[in-house]
Amino acid sequence: DAGVIQSPRHEVTEMGQEVTLRCKPISGHNSLFWYRQTMMRGLELLIYFNNNVPIDDSGMPEDRFSAKMPNASFSTLKIQPSEPRDSAVYFCASSPQRTGFGGYTFGSGTRLTVV
Amino acid sequence: AQKVTQAQTEISVVEKEDVTLDCVYETRDTTYYLFWYKQPPSGELVFLIRRNSFDEQNEISGRYSWNFQKSTSSFNFTITASQVVDSAVYFCALSEATGRGADGLTFGKGTHLIIQP
Repeated sequence: DAGVIQSPRHEVTEMGQEVTLRCKPISGHNSLFWYRQTMMRGLELLIYFNNNVPIDDSGMPEDRFSAKMPNASFSTLKIQPSEPRDSAVYFCASSPQRTGFGGYTFGSGTRLTVV
Repeated sequence: AQKVTQAQTEISVVEKEDVTLDCVYETRDTTYYLFWYKQPPSGELVFLIRRNSFDEQNEISGRYSWNFQKSTSSFNFTITASQVVDSAVYFCALSEATGRGADGLTFGKGTHLIIQP
């Protein structure tokens, strides 16, 4: 099992540019989550999907952020346009349908720097 | 709304000492799950333990042990005979189980544990 795979590991971009972060969940996991980690706010849930359907996006900070899950094996988090305050580590996690049976497995994260 | 509080921002101990990391949670649900994750300097989040709200038995795994007490809404983590490799940020987290399936985790702010040689 390759675990949750995120790409890229590091991204440096200029303010105003579009940024796309990618995630491949563990095969068979039906739930996918995007988190953001910053020094000021800690780990925050941005959005999560169950069976490819967005369930709760109340954590998405602004309309500049969007997430999609076109199929069970791929999800993207897009920021357009990016701003310096978006600099953070973005984690993707996946889980089986019920938390009691599987818990959550996190990817290695994408460190985003917006200059 | 759910909330997780880790009051200890940073703890520093000398190797081989025992250390306890505190976690207090708030939830209105009767069914929920509690977690501990370790984040070493490399940055990844490493799963340590998951407990459901109906199982208050303490758990021991090697040098690690967890004390879950619903009466005080606490889920504390103890490392016995600490080692330098235990140095990391430790996060306590809560998930409420709803009929919709897996819900997201609410994390505490984390405790930075420093083990000095």
